[in-house]
Amino acid sequence: DAGVTQSPTHLIKTRGQQVTLRCSPKSGHDTVSWYQQALGQGPQFIFQYYEEEERQRGNFPDRFSGHQYPNYSSELNVNALLLGDSALYLCASSLFGEFGELFFGEGSRLTVL
Amino acid sequence: AQKITQTQPGMFVQEKEAVTLDCTYDTSDQSYGLFWYKQPSSGEMIFLIYQGSYDEQNATEGRYSLNFQKARKSANLVISASQLGDSAMYFCAMRDTDYGGATNKLIFGTGTLLAVQP
Repeated sequence: DAGVTQSPTHLIKTRGQQVTLRCSPKSGHDTVSWYQQALGQGPQFIFQYYEEEERQRGNFPDRFSGHQYPNYSSELNVNALLLGDSALYLCASSLFGEFGELFFGEGSRLTVL
Repeated sequence: AQKITQTQPGMFVQEKEAVTLDCTYDTSDQSYGLFWYKQPSSGEMIFLIYQGSYDEQNATEGRYSLNFQKARKSANLVISASQLGDSAMYFCAMRDTDYGGATNKLIFGTGTLLAVQP
């Protein structure tokens, strides 16, 4: 039973570039959310996708956008990268309505130079 | 708004001993959920245990148990028989109830770095 998988695991970009991160949820899960974790801090919620729509959004600018596909996989896009976007980006999945389960992937570590 | 407080930046424990990691929370809601995650240096957030506010029993998962004291708004994680592989960052988190049910928005504490010594 595959868990949450993310790609790429590491990447380096320069300021102003755009990046796309990918996530496949755990088998049987239909809801995906994205988190940003800066060094030394706890994760911060970016947004959540269910039924291919953004359902909730945290306090992040419009440069952060996403998508969910019919197979429940998801992408996180960040435009016009800033140095402060350097972080570990974590994807989490669950089954809609199940309150006791939220599983994370290993994350994509983004470095912006 | 909800808040999670973890007051122990770092903890040491001897192998095979038990350790308690503290977590207090602040919410005005009656229905809420609390999570504990382990994050090793690899970065993955590993789900450990969940406690719902209406659960009558304290949650347990193998060597992990949650000491849930609702009146004191605390949800401490107890790890029994510590192992070297338990060395990691541990986060307490609460589901954000401002969105009603079925949200994956968790509010995390600042974490506790646990070091297990042989």
